[in-house]
Amino acid sequence: IAGITQAPTSQILAAGRRMTLRCTQDMRHNAMYWYRQDLGLGLRLIHYSNTAGTTGKGEVPDGYSVSRANTDDFPLTLASAVPSQTSVYFCASSLLAGDSGELFFGEGSRLTVL
Amino acid sequence: DAKTTQPPSMDCAEGRAANLPCNHSTISGNEYVYWYRQIHSQGPQYIIHGLKNNETNEMASLIITEDRKSSTLILPHATLRDTAVYYCIVRVGFQKLVFGTGTRLLVSP
Repeated sequence: IAGITQAPTSQILAAGRRMTLRCTQDMRHNAMYWYRQDLGLGLRLIHYSNTAGTTGKGEVPDGYSVSRANTDDFPLTLASAVPSQTSVYFCASSLLAGDSGELFFGEGSRLTVL
Repeated sequence: DAKTTQPPSMDCAEGRAANLPCNHSTISGNEYVYWYRQIHSQGPQYIIHGLKNNETNEMASLIITEDRKSSTLILPHATLRDTAVYYCIVRVGFQKLVFGTGTRLLVSP
C-alpha cells in the first residue's frame, strides 16, 4: 500500500548523540513535513519542505535540521539530542504545498532521549 | 493567525450522531477549516475540509456557520472505532497546518 514510511518506529538514545529519523513517501507528493507530538501540546510543526531542494522552519525548529535532496525522502536530524526532544515524531506529506490541505501521515517514530 | 477552540472531551453513545464543535472567530476570508482525527497512537487521519459551504463525504459532514466563526463536525452514526482525538484546524500561512490539542471523543456501547 502506497504511503509514508517512517523509521525507526522507536528508539532510545543517549543525550548528546546524533540521530536521524527517516521518512520516505511513494506518492510523488511535492510537500513534506515533520511534526512532534507531546502530551498536552498537540502536534507542532518542526520543519517543512514545499518541494525538493527547499526547506523551511516551522513552529519549533531549534535543535533539528532537515534536507530534501529528492522528492521521496525527508530525513530529520537531531545533531546532539537532549531529553526535551523526547517525543513522538510524525512525518507527513501533501500533493501540493499551496492548495491541498490534506496531509498524509506516517505511523510515527517514538524517540526517548536519556 | 486564526486559532481554534475545541472542548477537551466529549462522550457519545454508539449509533448516535456525534457533533463536535469548533470556534474560530478570527478566521480570515481565504482560510479553510480542516478536520483530522488521531486514533490512539496512530498518525492523524484527514476527515474533511471546507471554506464556507457545508460539506459531506463518506466519513462525516461539516457545517460552517454563515459568519464562518464556528463549525461543527458531524459523525452521523458513531461507532466504537470513532473513539479518537479530533482536531479542528484553520489553515495558517502557506500550507502549514497548525494542530491544537483537539477534542477527545469517547464512543461508548
